[in-house]
Amino acid sequence: RKEVEQDPGPFNVPEGATVAFNCTYSNSASQSFFWYRQDCRKEPKLLMSVYSSGNEDGRFTAQLNRASQYISLLIRDSKLSDSATYLCVVLMDSSYKLIFGSGTRLLVRP
Amino acid sequence: GAVVSQHPSWVICKSGTSVKIECRSLDFQATTMFWYRQFPKQSLMLMATSNEGSKATYEQGVEKDKFLINHASLTLSTLTVTSAHPEDSSFYICSALGAESYGYTFGSGTRLTVV
Repeated sequence: RKEVEQDPGPFNVPEGATVAFNCTYSNSASQSFFWYRQDCRKEPKLLMSVYSSGNEDGRFTAQLNRASQYISLLIRDSKLSDSATYLCVVLMDSSYKLIFGSGTRLLVRP
Repeated sequence: GAVVSQHPSWVICKSGTSVKIECRSLDFQATTMFWYRQFPKQSLMLMATSNEGSKATYEQGVEKDKFLINHASLTLSTLTVTSAHPEDSSFYICSALGAESYGYTFGSGTRLTVV
């Protein structure tokens, strides 16, 4: 079983749509969680951290359910510029290693 | 903000040759450097972790004699792919962790093609 699992997509949505991505992780001892964005042939960039209480940054909302070992990302009012691959990432606190999911590809069409 | 400069951004080499990839932290001291490899449509897979002045720790299945990592200073880490083969063609990317902040700073990646 992969340590971090995501639906690969692609999700093909019109501009203005709301889209949700899900992620599950296997190591219950994991403490820190993130969503990264990766554009084609580029390095990943931190989108936001994920907290148990849920956190929002503009059109983006992230949620963590520790009991289910489940992480989500909600994007509202999708823009063309949101087209990218979204990576679910778990931090192994003892070693500081970031473990990446395989990513979910989002395509926002006009 | 923190910047990691990674070079080269792309390289094409002949099978059997060696290729060196450099990552330099420009405005902070990188106490730990992580090296990843990403094949098309796949995730970033951690290859090894290096701490300044000590030997790198390799992930299971990664050949330490093939992927030589040097982290001799707090601002420079290198990955050398030795005797490269076509199956080593991939996107290699470094990520630095500094002592003074909690953030991970990624290099811009190196696309290696072995022909």
